[in-house]
Amino acid sequence: AQSVTQLDSQVPVFEEAPVELRCNYSSSVSVYLFWYVQYPNQGLQLLLKYLSGSTLVKGINGFEAEFNKSQTSFHLRKPSVHISDTAEYFCAVKKGSNTGKLIFGQGTTLQVKP
Amino acid sequence: NAGVTQTPKFRVLKTGQSMTLLCAQDMNHEYMYWYRQDPGMGLRLIHYSVGEGTTAKGEVPDGYNVSRLKKQNFLLGLESAAPSQTSVYFCASSYSGPETQYFGPGTRLLVL
Repeated sequence: AQSVTQLDSQVPVFEEAPVELRCNYSSSVSVYLFWYVQYPNQGLQLLLKYLSGSTLVKGINGFEAEFNKSQTSFHLRKPSVHISDTAEYFCAVKKGSNTGKLIFGQGTTLQVKP
Repeated sequence: NAGVTQTPKFRVLKTGQSMTLLCAQDMNHEYMYWYRQDPGMGLRLIHYSVGEGTTAKGEVPDGYNVSRLKKQNFLLGLESAAPSQTSVYFCASSYSGPETQYFGPGTRLLVL
């Protein structure tokens, strides 16, 4: 069974500093990878996704992620964070078939401090 | 467009009571999903539907039933609520698969 592991449950960072949120997955087949953001008391919004092609994926709000097949990772990065980026971030994976299911990681809370 | 809406926003139940959560989408999406979110566990898929009249089990289907009688609605039922079903429930929909899911605002359920 495939799984998704987000290596940090909480990441505190100061405003304007860079940040990396780590995500590893386990799968022996091709995968599609996603990052979602959840602001307090709201549903999830898609930040970015990797389906195929370039391994560097750019998303909304200045976020980007890099698919690394050899390390089975899909880490999320932003060069300079804002207070408004404080939220919970979820990594998710879907197998390369039409199963209709996403498997989510446990979530990482990004706390941006002034 | 309202997107994905969920009714109710918050509910308190006693153990053994039943209730139905309603999810509605106005984007003509084929796929709809019900998830539960618990602290430290991310989102777990309860049931999903790939079209009107179809449903399928997800990771954690026990204790829940679903129905998709109309394309725009996906109902989640709890026949006999248990404290372990205290959670935040999210509905989502997508056009042709899970690649781009749109989420509702969530329903907070407390079972005493």
